[in-house]
Amino acid sequence: SQQGEEDPQALSIQEGENATMNCSYKTSINNLQWYRQNSGRGLVHLILIRSNEREKHSGRLRVTLDTSKKSSSLLITASRAADTASYFCATDAAGGTSYGKLTFGQGTILTVHP
Amino acid sequence: NAGVTQTPKFQVLKTGQSMTLQCAQDMNHEYMSWYRQDPGMGLRLIHYSVGAGITDQGEVPNGYNVSRSTTEDFPLRLLSAAPSQTSVYFCASSVTGSRETQYFGPGTRLLVL
Repeated sequence: SQQGEEDPQALSIQEGENATMNCSYKTSINNLQWYRQNSGRGLVHLILIRSNEREKHSGRLRVTLDTSKKSSSLLITASRAADTASYFCATDAAGGTSYGKLTFGQGTILTVHP
Repeated sequence: NAGVTQTPKFQVLKTGQSMTLQCAQDMNHEYMSWYRQDPGMGLRLIHYSVGAGITDQGEVPNGYNVSRSTTEDFPLRLLSAAPSQTSVYFCASSVTGSRETQYFGPGTRLLVL
């Protein structure tokens, strides 16, 4: 079963607006990562947030992590048409039997209209 | 650096045929992994390796074999292809493990008839 679940499944906004995507997970984690996938391409790493961090920024990206609620959010500010892509969260579960296994959510499809 | 490369880009197989999907990286990464991506399912881990000679199963290993004889290469073998294995396959690598940034290849589209 998927460790990460993303919400919404699809998001359509206008250029300049902010986009927020959410990720929920089930078990304790070491860290949580966000990736972007353009249509027909491989995944590209965006940001990694560790379990002892609450917020992280990278350019127009802001990621928050709430381990008590087992959830994370990705905020893209001042979106551009080039941000159109699928966005995935991925979790590295804590615990010995989960070593080496990164689990991806189902993704959020973001469409930014010019 | 070429990063992570995958071959072929696209392959059509008949049910029962075998084939090997190639994955190579030139970053001297210890950790390599294989995922399949199906519509609406996200990425699911097939097999992974934490170093040459060491492999382990992921979430969906049935029907797939792997080996890791060198640090650079991590081939994925389909012994007897089935239509359920129609998917897009991605290889990824990182310095030491799943707790770090993963670098993905461009993917292989596989169609099993």
